[in-house]
Amino acid sequence: DQQVKQNSPSLSVQEGRISILNCDYTNSMFDYFLWYKKYPAEGPTFLISISSIKDKNEDGRFTVFLNKSAKHLSLHIVPSQPGDSAVYFCAARGFSGSARQLTFGSGTQLTVLP
Amino acid sequence: EAGVTQFPSHSVIEKGQTVTLRCDPISGHDNLYWYRRVMGKEIKFLLHFVKESKQDESGMPNNRFLAERTGGTYSTLKVQPAELEDSGVYFCASSQVSTGGATQYFGPGTRLLVL
Repeated sequence: DQQVKQNSPSLSVQEGRISILNCDYTNSMFDYFLWYKKYPAEGPTFLISISSIKDKNEDGRFTVFLNKSAKHLSLHIVPSQPGDSAVYFCAARGFSGSARQLTFGSGTQLTVLP
Repeated sequence: EAGVTQFPSHSVIEKGQTVTLRCDPISGHDNLYWYRRVMGKEIKFLLHFVKESKQDESGMPNNRFLAERTGGTYSTLKVQPAELEDSGVYFCASSQVSTGGATQYFGPGTRLLVL
């Protein structure tokens, strides 16, 4: 049973436009959400995160929105650049105790077209 | 500051052989995690160390996998004997306990192929 879902395996966007990547989760005990970017043959690179007590976090061109009632988060990239082309993983962290590991979605391949 | 490093970057072994993967976390990070990605699917948790202690090993697939972190610095993950289904990319990640440890920083991974 996948607790973190990224239902879009791929997304293509024109350079300069907005990219919106979506993620849904089922476990209401997650307390922290993160987005990672991954290039081929490399490890995931941390991009941006948000605590469950917030609904928005912004860092330059990247903004993450959290809707707890809908158990949904999204990553907005504005403006999109060709170098943003990568696989984006949504991840969630457990609330307490031993459950501090990250649970990942299956990833969304973003392609930014020049 | 150096990031998380992993060795080797690639390993090709035959079924039944033994392989040992190594991870060096970011200096000062007491949390160390192992994850695995099989067949391009989602990245899945294997286990978690806090310093030299295993905090959670609920993701370890079976007793052919043995992880150690002697002295609380680098960690090794040994697969013995390796099976075909163990092929995949093994990632190590680390985080700081003092800042809540929410952000985990990943290494480049070890690509393991069992033939």
